[in-house]
Amino acid sequence: NAGVTQTPKFQVLKTGQSMTLQCAQDMNHNSMYWYRQDPGMGLRLIYYSASEGTTDKGEVPNGYNVSRLNKREFSLRLESAAPSQTSVYFCASSANLGYTFGSGTRLTVV
Amino acid sequence: QQQVKQSPQSLIVQKGGISIINCAYENTAFDYFPWYQQFPGKGPALLIAIRPDVSEKKEGRFTISFNKSAKQFSLHIMDSQPGDSATYFCAASDNAGNMLTFGGGTRLMVKP
Repeated sequence: NAGVTQTPKFQVLKTGQSMTLQCAQDMNHNSMYWYRQDPGMGLRLIYYSASEGTTDKGEVPNGYNVSRLNKREFSLRLESAAPSQTSVYFCASSANLGYTFGSGTRLTVV
Repeated sequence: QQQVKQSPQSLIVQKGGISIINCAYENTAFDYFPWYQQFPGKGPALLIAIRPDVSEKKEGRFTISFNKSAKQFSLHIMDSQPGDSATYFCAASDNAGNMLTFGGGTRLMVKP
């Protein structure tokens, strides 16, 4: 089925470890996004990419980096994980304001 | 700075009742207002959307009401069902770009 695929679905990291969250879409969308969702905080934008080769900071970019590898793939990297980064991470892609979200990565940093 | 404020944070409704979720925005350049529905363990999915040239849009049991002068819009779920239990997000965007600004979300529980 067409959509947004995120891997992994679950991850536990120790403080200071690094990891990359992967996201791929097969809808030929230009724009892609990374959000984090925390209880009572809604969806907060971390980084976005309006098109292949461009990335921009969102509301909460500190502690994260991103790579728009090609039109399909947009990865999120935590260089040195902190407990404050425990969250559910969602990748999304869009065309003409129609957002499609992945099913999320639940990340726990201990 | 939250540009879209959503209330309430949580809502409990009896089966068959009406669920009402409200959002208010500040940016007068916003011209597209979608609602997203999120079930546990899933990503949000588009439910219904409205543009400010109309005051109401209805799709089945779901209705968006829009008040441009008050800069407010709301989601009404008629004949609420237990299967409607989910988190609902309002959002807004302007025509300058493709980015949505989301409200804080409302966790709806419909009791049988």
